[in-house]
Amino acid sequence: AQTVTQSQPEMSVQEAETVTLSCTYDTSESDYYLFWYKQPPSRQMILVIRQEAYKQQNATENRFSVNFQKAAKSFSLKISDSQLGDAAMYFCAYRSHVNAGNMLTFGGGTRLMVKP
Amino acid sequence: DSGVTQTPKHLITATGQRVTLRCSPRSGDLSVYWYQQSLDQGLQFLIQYYNGEERAKGNILERFSAQQFPDLHSELNLSSLELGDSALYFCASSGKTQYFGPGTRLLVL
Repeated sequence: AQTVTQSQPEMSVQEAETVTLSCTYDTSESDYYLFWYKQPPSRQMILVIRQEAYKQQNATENRFSVNFQKAAKSFSLKISDSQLGDAAMYFCAYRSHVNAGNMLTFGGGTRLMVKP
Repeated sequence: DSGVTQTPKHLITATGQRVTLRCSPRSGDLSVYWYQQSLDQGLQFLIQYYNGEERAKGNILERFSAQQFPDLHSELNLSSLELGDSALYFCASSGKTQYFGPGTRLLVL
């Protein structure tokens, strides 16, 4: 079974600065997807970014980018120019490409605080 | 707006009772996933349906059941409720990426 680990329960960043959230995962599969979801105080789960394991290029979405290290099974999220609205729980998630179920396996989450 | 709808938004009930949570997937999505988010267990996959058929099961209790109807909406039935069932229940629908509904907050008193 796949496992996802987020080793930082809480992180803090100054507004306009850059912060990196860590995620590691364990799998024996070679083809899969990785995601970062944001959960603000409203508790809505919002997709931040997606990475397909077969793609070597790191995904980027505006101020959000990932550092995907397949051999190390590491998938970190970098938030540049942090804004107050970035304050939320962030969840890293894994999804198999070949497994019939394709359910998401989540890490325990990292609470990001943004200081003005 | 993810395009996934869930009702009700909030539900308060007593132990031993039964409730039904409803989910409508995004237009065109055939898969529906149910997840539970509780304080001590984090986000856990419960069950998946694809075009009316059960596709995968996770850590779903026997007291819980689900189904997906011909119009593709899904219902999650929780019975003999216990205090520990209090949680946020999410539905997600999927192509390559899972998009989540707003969730139903269940409080069992």
